Amino acid sequence: GQNIDQPTEMTATEGAIVQINCTYQTSGFNGLFWYQQHAGEAPTFLSYNVLDGLEEKGRFSSFLSRSKGYSYLLLKELQMKDSASYLCAAMDSNYQLIWGAGTKLIIKP
Amino acid sequence: DGGITQSPKYLFRKEGQNVTLSCEQNLNHDAMYWYRQDPGQGLRLIYYSQIVNDFQKGDIAEGYSVSREKKESFPLTVTSAQKNPTAFYLCASSSTENSPLHFGNGTRLTVT
Repeated sequence: GQNIDQPTEMTATEGAIVQINCTYQTSGFNGLFWYQQHAGEAPTFLSYNVLDGLEEKGRFSSFLSRSKGYSYLLLKELQMKDSASYLCAAMDSNYQLIWGAGTKLIIKP
Repeated sequence: DGGITQSPKYLFRKEGQNVTLSCEQNLNHDAMYWYRQDPGQGLRLIYYSQIVNDFQKGDIAEGYSVSREKKESFPLTVTSAQKNPTAFYLCASSSTENSPLHFGNGTRLTVT
């Protein structure tokens, strides 16, 4: 079957670095997406990886290893506004998205 | 500004009533989607449409219906046949099949 695993909750300190991991199993693969979702709001797109390696975009970076079925989202210089849920989603061979349950990130001062 | 508009933000209905959730986009996207979000679970696809006058069932289509008469609009009807309709409903659109989704702000439906 197809599935995505990511931690349910993580806590980090303002100004620090946090890595949110995601492992996936899909029938075929057409890329991996990360979204940010603040409580009660819509998810917003953060990153898309389809090739192995690290994609950096400001304070946020995303890594993909296709052979390991593994991705992570790295958040640097954490700010209080980064407190949110982070959703990992893998796209299968039919271009259907398989979603993880999300990782709730709590930032402490 | 382009975007997706869902209305209303909150909706309350009595059990046994059908209810329609609105979704409008002005991004000129061909593909539109309806997802349901429940606590502790990933987004689950209800229906999607890749072109006007055509739509396909997602993973949890039972008890729901949609229409796509215009490119801009993709309303979702939650029927009385849906066993557990209380949830947060998200509409999304995309320009191509592997491009990022743009989401509306969601409708929180409560059925009592």
